[in-house]
Amino acid sequence: DQQVKQNSPSLSVQEGRISILNCDYTNSMFDYFLWYKKYPAEGPTFLISISSIKDKNEDGRFTVFLNKSAKHLSLHIVPSQPGDSAVYFCAASVSRGNEKLTFGTGTRLTIIP
Amino acid sequence: EADIYQTPRYLVIGTGKKITLECSQTMGHDKMYWYQQDPGMELHLIHYSYGVNSTEKGDLSSESTVSRIRTEHFPLTLESARPSHTSQYLCASSDSDSYGYTFGSGTRLTVV
Repeated sequence: DQQVKQNSPSLSVQEGRISILNCDYTNSMFDYFLWYKKYPAEGPTFLISISSIKDKNEDGRFTVFLNKSAKHLSLHIVPSQPGDSAVYFCAASVSRGNEKLTFGTGTRLTIIP
Repeated sequence: EADIYQTPRYLVIGTGKKITLECSQTMGHDKMYWYQQDPGMELHLIHYSYGVNSTEKGDLSSESTVSRIRTEHFPLTLESARPSHTSQYLCASSDSDSYGYTFGSGTRLTVV
């Protein structure tokens, strides 16, 4: 049973436009959510996180939105840049720093110059 | 600059061989993890450790074993490699103050 789902395996966005990546989860115990970015042949790198006590967290061009009632989170990248082309993984845990992370299957984002 | 190191980056090995994938971190993190990822699939947790002499199996059953004799070192061993073990293996670490994990660059294992 997949507890974290990313239903779009791929997404193409024009450079300069907004990229929106979506993630749904089923476990209501999840309390902390993260986004990771992964280039080929490299390990994932941490991008941004959000705790369930907030509904939005912003860091430069990256904003994560959390809708707890819908069990849905999204990552917005604006403006999108060619270097943003990568696979993005959504992850969740029951608390920050204390539990194992459960990952989604990833969304491959391609930024078109 | 990477604070968690995995070696080798790539490994092609014959069926039946014993292999050890190395993972070391310099951040003093007490928690360490091994994930397995096939192309286009999610990362599956196969082993984790919350400290020295502590190891647990993850959500995905794996024939590999791990050890944690030192805080900084968390090697993964396959006693007899099979083609079904072909995958990417990612090591990670964290502590209670971490924003998620710090991942290594991974080992891409191919068993022929």
